[in-house]
Amino acid sequence: EIVLTQSPGTLSLSPGESATLFCRASQSISSSYLAWYQQKPGQAPRLLISGTSSRATGIADRFSGSGSGTEFTLTISRLEPEDFAVYYCHQYDSSSTFGQGTKVEIK
Amino acid sequence: EVQLVESGGGLVKPGGSLRLACAASGFSFTSYSINWVRQAPGKGLEWVSSVSGSGSYVFYADSVKGRFTISRDNAKKSVYLQMNSLRVEDTAVYYCARAPVAGTHTHFDYWGQGSLVTVSS
Repeated sequence: EIVLTQSPGTLSLSPGESATLFCRASQSISSSYLAWYQQKPGQAPRLLISGTSSRATGIADRFSGSGSGTEFTLTISRLEPEDFAVYYCHQYDSSSTFGQGTKVEIK
Repeated sequence: EVQLVESGGGLVKPGGSLRLACAASGFSFTSYSINWVRQAPGKGLEWVSSVSGSGSYVFYADSVKGRFTISRDNAKKSVYLQMNSLRVEDTAVYYCARAPVAGTHTHFDYWGQGSLVTVSS
């Protein structure tokens, strides 16, 4: 099973700042099979990015994804108040597994 | 508007059974696979099961294989998860989620709000 390790566990930032979230895989993943989701308390996850860098329908362009192999990144530029949430990476190259999440909280 | 609405969750004793339902609307139902993904309290996400658009192909995580059965009724635009021999570790919010393809090689583009299953004596 491919294990995804997200870092940091918590990111404390202010609105307007940029956030960089990391997702490391225990083995190489095709860049076609890496996604990112946002989850707010009491809500379902929402797809942000699929295929490492393709934004989902309706997702603001301040969200961007990059990476390859075992290292992937989600960048949120100019944090808006509604961006404070937990973010999960998800690999679907070999079976389907999720990272443990990164919480982006207001500083 | 794409909508997925889960129902059927509740409290059940270990060894018991429960059937979850997911009602879909707002898209061409048979063109998409429907998956169940669960989240234990305070924990991360775990893919559970997938059914293809036709219902001909089903897939399960090892943790539920032999205990859970996924099915769909395309006339009713609904997907079901029959959960038998439930264990305490099955306690979670169960989400149904839409995917472009069946199986595990896919992301999930729309999710329901979830249904809580609690397994406890």
